[in-house]
Formats: sequence, structure tokens, C-alpha cells
Amino acid sequence: GAVVSQHPSRVICKSGTSVKIECRSLDFQATTMFWYRQFPKQSLMLMATSNEGSKATYEQGVEKDKFLINHASLTLSTLTVTSAHPEDSSFYICAGAGTSGKNQETQYFGPGTRLLVL
Amino acid sequence: LAKTTQPISMDSYEGQEVNITCSHNNIATNDYITWYQQFPSQGPRFIIQGYKTKVTNEVASLFIPADRKSSTLSLPRVSLSDTAVYYCLVGDSASGGYNKLIFGAGTRLAVHP
Repeated sequence: GAVVSQHPSRVICKSGTSVKIECRSLDFQATTMFWYRQFPKQSLMLMATSNEGSKATYEQGVEKDKFLINHASLTLSTLTVTSAHPEDSSFYICAGAGTSGKNQETQYFGPGTRLLVL
Repeated sequence: LAKTTQPISMDSYEGQEVNITCSHNNIATNDYITWYQQFPSQGPRFIIQGYKTKVTNEVASLFIPADRKSSTLSLPRVSLSDTAVYYCLVGDSASGGYNKLIFGAGTRLAVHP
């Protein structure tokens, strides 16, 4: 299957700082990228969807000014958690989907980034 | 809200075949059915995807009846390393989000020696 990488895999930061997470599709062009968040023992929650070159579409309840998403190319999307607070500590996972012509593209997930805000 | 319903947990033993059934009564005409596997602290791994009838790959089979209101993931001869959470998902085409996936709780499979 297609490969998606994330960097960093783990980050610890102080409250009030901003953290950037990179998501790259290594062997395919991701027309659409998705960002999810997962708290311990819970399922994945979709935060936002972004198409290359367009503004991201955020899910209800997700603050777009706090979680900045940039999808500048077909292989790179970034999520910046601005002014992070301890409640933002979570596991952040990105996924990329290409174009195969069918209605629902397969999403390929990255390995995730563990964020701990002190 | 997730559009699928699956058992919260299942137990099996090494070497057995495991079948996990998922209900998706309101699946839309354009929706595909996709299954993922997730280990702790890792991103979900794509297992299999199908639209109708039967799909088979090197790791699993997916059975979809004609009405497409349910699907069954079949894992042949499971091993301890298959202990994971398995998610069944359908698309969100009804709301215009053809590629959106809404995750439910998944099925926590425990394989015992």
C-alpha cells in the first residue's frame, strides 16, 4: 500500500508554544489530506480535510485558528497547533488520499505524532 | 455519528479463522466499505476495501451481501500479532464528503495462545 510519514513522531512542549507536525505522502500524490486526533482508549476523530492548494475544511467544534493546516503540495501537509495547552495533548494522525477515479478514495494513514503539552 | 456498528470486542485463539461483522444499514449508493487495523500508538493500517460481493487479498477477505447493509471481514488463521482494533468504515457521500471517514469505536480483537 501507499506510504505516509509523519514528523516528529513524538513532541513535548511547554504550554503556550506552537508545534508543527508534518505529513508526507512518500510514493503517491495525495490530493486530499485528513487530520485526525485520538485520545487514549478512544477512536479517531476527524479534525479537518484539506485539498491541495485550498483552505482546509474543519469539522464542527475544531478551532481553525488554533489548528492551522497547510496543504501546499500534493505530497506535504502540515498541522500547526498554536498556543498549545495541556488539553491539546493527544495522538495526531494524518491520512492521504489520491485520485483513482472511484467515488471513495482509500485513505492511507501516517504513523501518528504523540504530542504532550506540559 | 459513525455510520457503522460492530461488536466492541472479540476473542479468538491462534490458528482460528475470525469473522468480524459490521452493520451499515444506511450505506449510500456511492459508498465503499473499508476496513483498517490499528495497533496501540500507531496509525490505522489499510486492510481491505470493497463495494459488493467478495474481495480477497493476501491478508483478508471481505464479504458483502447484495443489499450491502452489512459486511464481514474474515481473517484466516489468526496469530498473536493480529491482536488489534479493527475499524469498519463507509464513506460520507450522503453529505457530499465522498472521502470523509467517520470512525466508530471499532472491534477490539484479542488473540490468545
